[in-house]
Amino acid sequence: DAKTTQPNSMESNEEEPVHLPCNHSTISGTDYIHWYRQLPSQGPEYVIHGLTSNVNNRMASLAIAEDRKSSTLILHRATLRDAAVYYCILRDKYSGAGSYQLTFGKGTKLSVIP
Amino acid sequence: EAQVTQNPRYLITVTGKKLTVTCSQNMNHEYMSWYRQDPGLGLRQIYYSMNVEVTDKGDVPEGYKVSRKEKRNFPLILESPSPNQTSLYFCASSLFVPGEQPQHFGDGTRLSIL
Repeated sequence: DAKTTQPNSMESNEEEPVHLPCNHSTISGTDYIHWYRQLPSQGPEYVIHGLTSNVNNRMASLAIAEDRKSSTLILHRATLRDAAVYYCILRDKYSGAGSYQLTFGKGTKLSVIP
Repeated sequence: EAQVTQNPRYLITVTGKKLTVTCSQNMNHEYMSWYRQDPGLGLRQIYYSMNVEVTDKGDVPEGYKVSRKEKRNFPLILESPSPNQTSLYFCASSLFVPGEQPQHFGDGTRLSIL
């Protein structure tokens, strides 16, 4: 899977929007952009994914640049429960035979200030 | 509620005493896998299974065994645990095409091998 680059850490005030960036300049045309997060003492949790168009779900929005070399995870109103490490991961749409494992980098540690 | 359930959540044991960590999913997923998470090393895949009776090694399989006799269960077996297997373990599952499909993780099992 292609490599992603994320800031090590970010801070946000509670109830304000948060924009978490991810660079993936070597993304291929068939790579999905996935976001997961890991809260303290819990397993990774799927947040959202997309291919080319912006995506919204109940947890977040995903904004994908037109050239797909970067994306931004948007939490519309940060809560204390959103404090976690956020991982941006690329997954080939046509993952063939193989381990299908998710490759988690270091991610972005989001702190939410009350 | 859709979930991946691991047991036990915590275990302290001694070198050489066989142990099994169970993993069960209720989403009829075909794909299941085990990861271990260690500080500074991120999540690494141990074993995975594409379907019943089909398993294969991930990146760090040494010292572990798995079995997939039923679709919902994927136990991780440590025949002779050693201290270097002290870690946080996660089970995950997804539908067959995980390039697009999200993976669902359990809450983790923290193993300490003395």
